[in-house]
Order: sequence, then structure tokens, then C-alpha cells
Amino acid sequence: DADVTQTPRNRITKTGKRIMLECSQTKGHDRMYWYRQDPGLGLRLIYYSFDVKDINKGEISDGYSVSRQAQAKFSLSLESAIPNQTALYFCATSARQYDQPQHFGDGTRLSIL
Amino acid sequence: AQSVAQPEDQVNVAEGNPLTVKCTYSVSGNPYLFWYVQYPNRGLQFLLKYITGDNLVKGSYGFEAEFNKSQTSFHLKKPSALVSDSALYFCAVRDSGGYQKVTFGTGTKLQVIP
Repeated sequence: DADVTQTPRNRITKTGKRIMLECSQTKGHDRMYWYRQDPGLGLRLIYYSFDVKDINKGEISDGYSVSRQAQAKFSLSLESAIPNQTALYFCATSARQYDQPQHFGDGTRLSIL
Repeated sequence: AQSVAQPEDQVNVAEGNPLTVKCTYSVSGNPYLFWYVQYPNRGLQFLLKYITGDNLVKGSYGFEAEFNKSQTSFHLKKPSALVSDSALYFCAVRDSGGYQKVTFGTGTKLQVIP
């Protein structure tokens, strides 16, 4: 089983709809992240959480919200989806130590029509 | 603010030849540097990291990277490329001095030609 699981893997929806992307992890890490990947832009950080009560905005948080339901669960919501939010979304986790790498899920491909 | 540059969108190399994927960085303090690989329809996978110590770091799948402080570079290398190495490669940096987020480069697509 994957250490970082994202659901759904693919989603097609319409402009204005509310969407939730879910992430769960079995690595026991405190830190969790949401990124979006766009061609030519690399990964951009949307939100990050260093523990259940510590949630922070990343560089592109407008139009997104998050919820850290438990240490192992971190969900990303698009309250009213718009076409330019079409992208590949990744959840990642890491241990507390700054020299430790991040561990990624396999992503959610989101298309907004 | 910290930043990472991967100057090549794509690198083509013949199977069996050595490969280099370039990365330069900018941080205010000492850097923690990472390389990740992404295969189609998969998330990023950690390859190797530089924290401190030897400038040549060895990682997974025969990859290594050379840290050069004066040139602020952290190039990924492999002595003999395999077709299966074809993937998207990302360099990332974190400032050891306290800026807690990781900044990723825009990625380099490696194409190994049989």
C-alpha cells in the first residue's frame, strides 16, 4: 500500500462546483503539504501544515482552503472551481527535521470545464 | 527569497553515455539541496540530498550530484544513462537557517535515446 494516498486520482468537474481532494498518510509524519503542478512552472505550494493545529498559506493559496482532520489526513478544497485551477495536485509529507525529504502521493489530475 | 533554477527544459542523451542535469540555487543561509524524479502518472520520488560534508553525494539508481558552493550549483549526474532513466527531474532547496519551506525548480525532462 502507498504511504501517501490521494483520492480521487482523476476528476472532471464544472466551473463553480465545490471540490475536495483528500490525502491520507501512513508514514507518521507531522508535516503535510499541498502543491499544484503546471507544465513549465514546476511545483507551487498551496498550503502546508506542521501539525494538526498549525496550518499556513503557501505562495498560491487564493481560491483554495484546507482542513487537517487528523495527523494522517489533510484535505484540499476548491470552494468554487474555475478553469485556471485545472492542474495536477500533489500531497506530500515530511518528518520534522529540515534535512529530511518530502514523500509524495501519486497526484490528482483535476480538469475544470 | 530562496530560488532554484533548472536552465534546461529538456536534456537528450544516448543510452550508455554520461548524463548531467543542471541546477543552481539561491538561499540566504546554508542550503539543504534535494533531487527528485517523477515518472509518468506518479508523484515525485526522492533521489538524493546534500546537507553537509562531501561535495559529491550518491543516491538511488546510480545517480550522484555534485555540490559546488562557489557556483551555487547542485548538478545531477550519472556515469551511464539507461532508457529507464527517462523522466522528469526536479531540484529543490531549503534554507537551513530557518525558512522552512522547500522551493522546487521547474523541472528538466531527461530523454535517454536507445
